[in-house]
Amino acid sequence: DIQMTQSPSSVSASVGDRVTITCRASQGISNSLAWYQQKPGKAPKLLIYAASRLQSGVPSRFSGSGYGTDFTVTISSLQPEDFGIYYCQQASSYPYTFGQGTKLEIK
Amino acid sequence: QITLKESGPTLVKPTQTLTLTCTFSGFSLSNSEEAVGWIRQPPGKALEWLALIYWDDEKHSSPSLKSRFTITKDTSKNQVVLTMTYMDPVDTATYFCAHRYRGYFDYWGQGTLVTVSS
Repeated sequence: DIQMTQSPSSVSASVGDRVTITCRASQGISNSLAWYQQKPGKAPKLLIYAASRLQSGVPSRFSGSGYGTDFTVTISSLQPEDFGIYYCQQASSYPYTFGQGTKLEIK
Repeated sequence: QITLKESGPTLVKPTQTLTLTCTFSGFSLSNSEEAVGWIRQPPGKALEWLALIYWDDEKHSSPSLKSRFTITKDTSKNQVVLTMTYMDPVDTATYFCAHRYRGYFDYWGQGTLVTVSS
């Protein structure tokens, strides 16, 4: 199985800050990576797929990059509604696997 | 508009079999490239991918759980069913079904919390 490791495990930032979360795959996965945002009691929401493609309806302050084993999601200017837990997911091979999550809090 | 909804028991006893149904609309599992997956999340923990079924009945599942569960579809009813045997308290989780788009999950059900307890 491909292991997905996210860092940091939690981050606290202020409105307007630039925030970056990292995901590392245990082996190369090309660009087969997605990012999700999950709020308490809700289902995850797809933000970015194929490493850098913004899902329809997702604000442009979110962006993704990376290829191979190292990936990032960046929020260019943090907004109050961006709190939640962020997960990466690889879709390169079965079984699909998720990272352990990064909790984003607003200061 | 794609929607999915999970249904099934909220409480099962250890060793019992769990059957969850995902009822969806807005797409058809008889169409090429369509697929539905199951993902679970224990309370306070991360997401865990369980299984996936394609329009052509191709199936993939988590190797660690493969012997315990099956995934099937009923195209006429727009349903996907996940069956898990020998449930254990560690299987307590919110179970989600989701629509697969190019390997990713773009639409999710609201999830259903299943508690395994005697």
